[in-house]
Amino acid sequence: GENVEQHPSTLSVQEGDSAVIKCTYSDSASNYFPWYKQELGKGPQLIIDIRSNVGEKKDQRIAVTLNKTAKHFSLHITETQPEDSAVYFCAARGRSNYQLIWGAGTKLIIKP
Amino acid sequence: ETGVTQTPRHLVMGMTNKKSLKCEQHLGHNAMYWYKQSAKKPLELMFVYNFKEQTENNSVPSRFSPECPNSSHLFLHLHTLQPEDSALYLCASSQESRTGNYGYTFGSGTRLTVV
Repeated sequence: GENVEQHPSTLSVQEGDSAVIKCTYSDSASNYFPWYKQELGKGPQLIIDIRSNVGEKKDQRIAVTLNKTAKHFSLHITETQPEDSAVYFCAARGRSNYQLIWGAGTKLIIKP
Repeated sequence: ETGVTQTPRHLVMGMTNKKSLKCEQHLGHNAMYWYKQSAKKPLELMFVYNFKEQTENNSVPSRFSPECPNSSHLFLHLHTLQPEDSALYLCASSQESRTGNYGYTFGSGTRLTVV
């Protein structure tokens, strides 16, 4: 079936450094790839998304890149800050319906 | 109130109890979802309501029963649950179009513990 693999499961970076989280999807027909951030005690919140007709999208310190040939997409966070500490989820919309296929999440820890 | 609101935030129930989770969205969206979130696992889609009609039920046990009385409210009725049902239950809403939806808004979830 359709699936999304996300790596790493835990990522620890020094404050001010960059963080990269990678996801691979199985369905070549997937056309929409959102990233969500989940802080402790809260539900996931959409932070950035990309559609299959573009290769990169940027919003201040965060960016997402998409490689359709390789079927993977990545989240890049530059100049990390303590408030970036959270669990990040990637997702892909599959062909069978309009619902999202989710990665297992990455716990990002920003060390002071 | 804005966004998606879930109540209660925490719930402890015995295996023979009956309880209900409530979700309300104030965004004017036309689709609502129930997800189950367990530690270190992908979000599991349980139910989808689109225009108040249930359009998806991902092989969820019958001890979970959804109800969507209108486009703003969603309930999840629980009865005779098992300890493995303990998890965070998330409600979400989105605006569906013919080409799909482009972003969910999640509530903060109900942390359910079955004892």
